[in-house]
Amino acid sequence: QSVLTQPPSVSGAPGQRITISCTGSSSNIGAGYDVHWYQQFPGTAPKLLIYGNDNRPSGVPDRFSGSKSGTSASLAITGLQAEDEADYYCQSYDSSLSGWVFGGGTKLTVL
Amino acid sequence: EVQLVQSGAEVTKPGESLKISCTGSGYSFASYWIVWVRQLPDKGLEWMGFIYPGNSDTTYNPSFQGQVTISADKSINTAYLQWSSLKASDSAIYYCARLWGGAFSWSDFWGQGTLLTVSS
Repeated sequence: QSVLTQPPSVSGAPGQRITISCTGSSSNIGAGYDVHWYQQFPGTAPKLLIYGNDNRPSGVPDRFSGSKSGTSASLAITGLQAEDEADYYCQSYDSSLSGWVFGGGTKLTVL
Repeated sequence: EVQLVQSGAEVTKPGESLKISCTGSGYSFASYWIVWVRQLPDKGLEWMGFIYPGNSDTTYNPSFQGQVTISADKSINTAYLQWSSLKASDSAIYYCARLWGGAFSWSDFWGQGTLLTVSS
């Protein structure tokens, strides 16, 4: 049971927009700690996708965006492409753990 | 270019000890926190702990405290994760990654992962 809650799977057709939610609590996201998102393809290491709630590292397409409100955050992908099919994880800091917490991960399927 | 290169896959037996490594290059290794993350087979990511190579300040996830030891040798730009007595349940992929800032921040560069298989 992960501290941050994500839907196990989402799907969408090419060109569509999807969102992935990440729900936390008052000791992590709700406490004001930033949320970061990672993309992981099978057999490879996670890659930073969004940092500081809504910032994209250099090289990440602007089809990817993040937001945060209250105890939740969201990752949105617009103009869905087949190459976006991967697992997505949210991450934040938790004051009760004095360390990181991750979401359980969401598998994105492009139909 | 920032790189983190981890030691290769390991196959060991229950009860054995093991130390895996993570060597950084292309940046000031001593000045950035390193995080270790576990990924069980077909499961999600789990935070194990942080280390600051500059002074070896370490923070453990309580779930892993006493089960593993995180250390670093800044003279050779290397962080380590070690076990004194492995269990089959330790079989997983272990990633090291650099933190951009402190514990509140994110990982901007990741190692390729070390696959550990513990089996009799």
